[in-house]
Amino acid sequence: NAGVTQTPKFQVLKTGQSMTLQCAQDMNHEYMSWYRQDPGMGLRLIHYSVGAGITDQGEVPNGYNVSRSTTEDFPLRLLSAAPSQTSVYFCASRTAANEKLFFGSGTQLSVL
Amino acid sequence: QQQVKQSPQSLIVQKGGISIINCAYENTAFDYFPWYQQFPGKGPALLIAIRPDVSEKKEGRFTISFNKSAKQFSLHIMDSQPGDSATYFCAATAGYSTLTFGKGTMLLVSP
Repeated sequence: NAGVTQTPKFQVLKTGQSMTLQCAQDMNHEYMSWYRQDPGMGLRLIHYSVGAGITDQGEVPNGYNVSRSTTEDFPLRLLSAAPSQTSVYFCASRTAANEKLFFGSGTQLSVL
Repeated sequence: QQQVKQSPQSLIVQKGGISIINCAYENTAFDYFPWYQQFPGKGPALLIAIRPDVSEKKEGRFTISFNKSAKQFSLHIMDSQPGDSATYFCAATAGYSTLTFGKGTMLLVSP
């Protein structure tokens, strides 16, 4: 099992550009989520999904969109990147009956 | 509103010493309290977790102490090693809901 795979590992964007951060898991986990990590702010939940076709907002959803068309994939879209979205983004997944979260290795995003 | 408050923000401990990180929570519905460990350039990974029906859980050199009445829990790392140098996050959740994380503690164990 590869676990949770995130691509790309690094990305630099200009303000206003759009992009999609990819997340895939091969553990058949129902629950998937996106967090951002900023210095001194910990891990903050952006969006999450409890299954294919079901998504919901977390603590900091503004500026981000998600969709969940398959169990395996949970992409995060930035429609118009802003410098405030410079951060490290982590995707995480778990089963519905277990609280243990499995994290990907992260995407470091810089918006200039 | 920060539901899980973690302290200290950073910690330096000598090799062989005891590292202690504290967390406090507000939501009495929380029923699962994990600690995650994160090395530089990696994603967080579950280290140890506790439920409120016990006051302590030990796994090797890592121990969680839980005080339900005070709404506090802490991570103790005995015989701290340089390889323990990492960022540690406490977290909490209720009923398989989303995890709420503390802001993290950067631990440096000096040789």
